[in-house]
Amino acid sequence: DTAVSQTPKYLVTQMGNDKSIKCEQNLGHDTMYWYKQDSKKFLKIMFSYNNKELIINETVPNRFSPKSPDKAHLNLHINSLELGDSAVYFCASSQEYRGAYEQYFGPGTRLTVT
Amino acid sequence: DAKTTQPPSMDCAEGRAANLPCNHSTISGNEYVYWYRQIHSQGPQYIIHGLKNNETNEMASLIITEDRKSSTLILPHATLRDTAVYYCIVRVRFKAAGNKLTFGGGTRVLVKP
Repeated sequence: DTAVSQTPKYLVTQMGNDKSIKCEQNLGHDTMYWYKQDSKKFLKIMFSYNNKELIINETVPNRFSPKSPDKAHLNLHINSLELGDSAVYFCASSQEYRGAYEQYFGPGTRLTVT
Repeated sequence: DAKTTQPPSMDCAEGRAANLPCNHSTISGNEYVYWYRQIHSQGPQYIIHGLKNNETNEMASLIITEDRKSSTLILPHATLRDTAVYYCIVRVRFKAAGNKLTFGGGTRVLVKP
C-alpha cells in the first residue's frame, strides 16, 4: 500500500490556468508538508499543516493555497500559473516517534507550465 | 538549524562500503543529524538519524564524531540501487513552529558495477 500518494503524477498546463495537486497519506500522521524542487534540484519547504492547521508558510506567493480537509489530506491549489511554477512538487507527512520526526515523501508531481 | 557541508559527488564500487561524509561544525547540543536520499525521479527517503551515539539500521550506519562536528553515513554493501543524492540535514528534534527539512545540495553517489 502506498503510504503517501499524490495525483496527478504529471501536469502540463498553460500560463494563467488554475490547477490543483492532491495528496493523501494513510500512515495516520498528524503533520503534512508541501515541498518544491526546482530545475536546479533544490528542495524547499512551502507549507506544513498539523491536524489541519497551517504551521509553516515559507513566503510562498499567495497564488498557492494549501487546503487540508482532514489530517490525511493536504491539497495544493495554484492560481494564475506562471512559467516559474514549473517544478516537481512533493508532499510529505510525519509523526513523532521517539522524537524522530522522519518525514515520508510522496512520489512527486511534475508540473510543467507552458 | 545548523548548516551542513557535503562533497558534491562521489563514486563507489558495487559491493563495497560507501562512506559519505558530512561536516556540521556549528551543530548545537539539541540538534540531530538526519540522512535522507533521493533516487532519481522519486521522493526523498528517510535513511537514519542520530544525536551523539552511533546508529545502525537495516539501511545504513551513522557514525558521529565525539565533538559532533562531523558524521559519516555508511552504506555497508553498496548496490546499483543505492545510486542517489544523499542529504545530510541537521535540525532540532522538535520546533513548535514546525519541523521542516532544509535540504542542501547533497552528495550525488554513483555506484558502479
